[in-house]
Amino acid sequence: QKEVEQNSGPLSVPEGAIASLNCTYSDRGSQSFFWYRQYSGKSPELIMFIYSNGDKEDGRFTAQLNKASQYVSLLIRDSQPSDSATYLCAYGGGRRALTFGSGTRLQVQP
Amino acid sequence: DTEVTQTPKHLVMGMTNKKSLKCEQHMGHRAMYWYKQKAKKPPELMFVYSYEKLSINESVPSRFSPECPNSSLLNLHLHALQPEDSALYLCASSQLGQGPSYEQYFGPGTRLTVT
Repeated sequence: QKEVEQNSGPLSVPEGAIASLNCTYSDRGSQSFFWYRQYSGKSPELIMFIYSNGDKEDGRFTAQLNKASQYVSLLIRDSQPSDSATYLCAYGGGRRALTFGSGTRLQVQP
Repeated sequence: DTEVTQTPKHLVMGMTNKKSLKCEQHMGHRAMYWYKQKAKKPPELMFVYSYEKLSINESVPSRFSPECPNSSLLNLHLHALQPEDSALYLCASSQLGQGPSYEQYFGPGTRLTVT
């Protein structure tokens, strides 16, 4: 079993819709969770991080964490074509290093 | 300011060359990282420096040699690379503390091509 599982996509949503990106992880010791956005040919950009169970909102983005289910998600409201990118889920533990999922490619159709 | 800078942006080198990648941050972060990323794959951890000391080496071949001259700078020295080492090399930095792993901020990367 991979340590971080993400659906590779592509996930296609129409402009203005809510995009829902999901991630499951296997390490119950994980304490911190991150979502990165990566445009083709560019470096990953941190867009959300969450440490506690529940929801965390920042603008159009909401991260949701459920440690009991080992599940973290990212919701993007009012999706825009500029949101089209690969979204990487990652978790951190005591090792001071992040473990990344393979990423979900999101396509927002105008 | 969450800026990490990397130079050069692009590098083409032969298998017998020696070159270095440079990374700099001025956020006061005490952890710095090197990652390697191949096309359509997630970043793959290579090295971690904590308080200027190497704390993690992910069994990286010795043709890659990291160096942390001070808390703001991180270098990656390259020697006798193979064509399969061609990739995007990413530097990142983060805080250090007693709590959970802190968020890492990536530089723009160096696109390396080995011929």
